[in-house]
Amino acid sequence: QKEVEQDPGPLSVPEGAIVSLNCTYSNSAFQYFMWYRQYSRKGPELLMYTYSSGNKEDGRFTAQVDKSSKYISLFIRDSQPSDSATYLCAMRAGYGNKLVFGAGTILRVKS
Amino acid sequence: DTGVSQNPRHKITKRGQNVTFRCDPISEHNRLYWYRQTLGQGPEFLTYFQNEAQLEKSRLLSDRFSAERPKGSFSTLEIQRTEQGDSAMYLCASSLANEAFFGQGTRLTVV
Repeated sequence: QKEVEQDPGPLSVPEGAIVSLNCTYSNSAFQYFMWYRQYSRKGPELLMYTYSSGNKEDGRFTAQVDKSSKYISLFIRDSQPSDSATYLCAMRAGYGNKLVFGAGTILRVKS
Repeated sequence: DTGVSQNPRHKITKRGQNVTFRCDPISEHNRLYWYRQTLGQGPEFLTYFQNEAQLEKSRLLSDRFSAERPKGSFSTLEIQRTEQGDSAMYLCASSLANEAFFGQGTRLTVV
């Protein structure tokens, strides 16, 4: 079993929809949680960073962490075709430690 | 701050040849990470430097792989006697605090 599980999709939604992306994890030591967006043949781009449990909002993006359930989410409001990409969740146990990634979810936003 | 820079962007090599990749991190970032990503998967951790010290290596990093970070600035990743299974995107990331920022990667194709 992988430490971080993420549904690979693809997830296809119409423009303007609210998108929900999720990851589950097994290592209770994880404290730092990140979401990256990756376009085809490009490097991952950091979208959101959250420490421990709670919510964080940045523009159209909201990240949620529920450590009791070992479950993290990324919500995208008013989705745009330019949001079409692979979304990777990543997490680490301690300051400076390596990131452990999910496999990524492919998102397609149709205009 | 021009971001993490990786060179070359693409490399095609024949099986058995040696290849070397370079990563220039964001200036003043003391942590530098190497990851490998294959199609449909999230990045997998290879190795990690804090300044010039290599603090952790993955079991994925066979003895054909070596990484250096002289003087704690840029880093190189060398693969000796390349195999077809080494074909992947090699990603470098740097970090000063909790967030990690990735370069555009070097895509290696072994023929």
